Amino acid sequence: DGGITQSPKYLFRKEGQNVTLSCEQNLNHDAMYWYRQDPGQGLRLIYYSQIVNDFQKGDIAEGYSVSREKKESFPLTVTSAQKNPTAFYLCASRMDREVDTQYFGPGTRLTVL
Amino acid sequence: AQKITQTQPGMFVQEKEAVTLDCTYDTSDPSYGLFWYKQPSSGEMIFLIYQGSYDQQNATEGRYSLNFQKARKSANLVISASQLGDSAMYFCAMKGYSTLTFGKGTMLLVSP
Repeated sequence: DGGITQSPKYLFRKEGQNVTLSCEQNLNHDAMYWYRQDPGQGLRLIYYSQIVNDFQKGDIAEGYSVSREKKESFPLTVTSAQKNPTAFYLCASRMDREVDTQYFGPGTRLTVL
Repeated sequence: AQKITQTQPGMFVQEKEAVTLDCTYDTSDPSYGLFWYKQPSSGEMIFLIYQGSYDQQNATEGRYSLNFQKARKSANLVISASQLGDSAMYFCAMKGYSTLTFGKGTMLLVSP
């Protein structure tokens, strides 16, 4: 089955620790995205990547880092510099610029204690 | 800059009735696209429908239709014959160069 997987579903970390969220897709999509969602809010863009080995900052990139070494994978690291990391994180992918629709994974809920 | 506004924090509808969820947008781009996504309590964002700014017809997908009024800059989602499974958050989004800008969403509750 083709789709986007994010693991784990729930993640707990102590304050001051870096944590990496996984996002994998087997849809052969070129572009991948990371969004953050806070309670009662819409999605805000953290980072996106349109091709392998290239990525761009979104609206709220501070305190986050990404890599895109493979087309299928776009991991997000939440660093200790991120002041309010507790949130719901959603990964998405899109085939290419001609096809606009982004498809989303199930999300990871990160809680920093 | 692009902006999406959803003014209804919550909506109530009875099963089998139709409901309209409002979305207004602002952009200076002559070409743009508008999306609606559904987010059930599980959290996953589910794509529902897309409308391009140059599309002549309003988009339809099953029970979902998009009431696109370009002059008024509105792209309202109409759900016909509501079902209990339609209870969820609904987000309107606009396509930028290669990213999406989302509204804050509307919570829809469908009662029996």
